[in-house]
Amino acid sequence: QKEVEQDPGPLSVPEGAIVSLNCTYSNSAFQYFMWYRQYSRKGPELLMYTYSSGNKEDGRFTAQVDKSSKYISLFIRDSQPSDSATYLCAMSVTGNTPLVFGKGTRLSVIA
Amino acid sequence: GAVVSQHPSWVICKSGTSVKIECRSLDFQATTMFWYRQFPKQSLMLMATSNEGSKATYEQGVEKDKFLINHASLTLSTLTVTSAHPEDSSFYICSAREDLLYGYTFGSGTRLTVV
Repeated sequence: QKEVEQDPGPLSVPEGAIVSLNCTYSNSAFQYFMWYRQYSRKGPELLMYTYSSGNKEDGRFTAQVDKSSKYISLFIRDSQPSDSATYLCAMSVTGNTPLVFGKGTRLSVIA
Repeated sequence: GAVVSQHPSWVICKSGTSVKIECRSLDFQATTMFWYRQFPKQSLMLMATSNEGSKATYEQGVEKDKFLINHASLTLSTLTVTSAHPEDSSFYICSAREDLLYGYTFGSGTRLTVV
């Protein structure tokens, strides 16, 4: 079993839809959880950052962490074609340890 | 927010030559930087952890003599791919973190093509 599991997709949705992305993990020591967006041939861009369990909202994006289930989610409301990218979940044990990434989910938002 | 600058963004080199990639933290000091490698349609794989003023820590299977890492200052880490071969062609990305309040920031990546 890999440390972080993420469905690679691809996921295709119509413009305006609510997108739900998620990851599961096996290491209960993970405490820092992040979601990144990566466009082709670019470095990952940090979207959401959460410490421990809970929800966090930023504009159209909502991140949820359920440590009891070892499950994290990213919701995108009112999706736009510009949201088309690969979304990577990432997590770490402490603030200075390397991130462990999911495989990434390729999202296409169709106009 | 924190910005990490990476150069060059792309490079083509001949087989057997060496290539240096720079990663700079702008407006913040980074005692630790990370180097990743990404193949097409794959996720990021950690290569090494770069520590300012000390030797880098390499992940299992990464040749430290081939991928030389130097973290000579609190704002600069370099990755040198020595005696590059076509199989080293990949997308190399660095990251650093300004503060525990924020997530890790990544550079824009360097696409290396060895011909």
